[in-house]
Amino acid sequence: DADVTQTPRNRITKTGKRIMLECSQTKGHDRMYWYRQDPGLGLQLIYYSFDVKDINKGEISDGYSVSRQAQAKFSLSLESAIPNQTALYFCATSPSRPSTDTQYFGPGTRLTVL
Amino acid sequence: TQLLEQSPQFLSIQEGENLTVYCNSSSVFSSLQWYRQEPGEGPVLLVTVVTGGEVKKLKRLTFQFGDARKDSSLHITAAQPGDTGLYLCAGAQSSYKLIFGSGTRLLVRP
Repeated sequence: DADVTQTPRNRITKTGKRIMLECSQTKGHDRMYWYRQDPGLGLQLIYYSFDVKDINKGEISDGYSVSRQAQAKFSLSLESAIPNQTALYFCATSPSRPSTDTQYFGPGTRLTVL
Repeated sequence: TQLLEQSPQFLSIQEGENLTVYCNSSSVFSSLQWYRQEPGEGPVLLVTVVTGGEVKKLKRLTFQFGDARKDSSLHITAAQPGDTGLYLCAGAQSSYKLIFGSGTRLLVRP
């Protein structure tokens, strides 16, 4: 069974629509992250959360918002999707105790904005 | 903005050949990680190197962290088609902040 799951796996939407991507984990980690991956650019951090009440912006947070509904759930929203938000989106987790640099990634959501 | 430059971007080799992928930065990292990503999946950790000059081996894969902890290399000996994938390096500047390279897409032809 996957430790980090993402839904949906694929989504096609239109410009201006609101989209929510969901992430759930069973690893018991308190830290969760959202990244986007574009060809030739690697992974860029959108938002990260140390616990339910601690949410922080990453490098490219403009146009995105997040919600940490529980320790195990972290969702990413695009309030009004635009075509340049077409990308692969990955959720990741890591433990704070013991603290580690290693992050564990979900399988990703492929989002296309037309 | 910290950058982690990865080279080459693409590599197509014949089964049995050796290859090296490089990851370079002007920034110092507390550790450096190598991930492998298959199509339709998220990155999966291969190794973490922490100490300057450290060398780690994982079967036919050899990972090295530079003495100054600014660069790293991944060497694959006798590549096999199963090694095909996207290889990503990621430098850690804190326990939560990873800086990712742009990736090396490797194709090993039978």
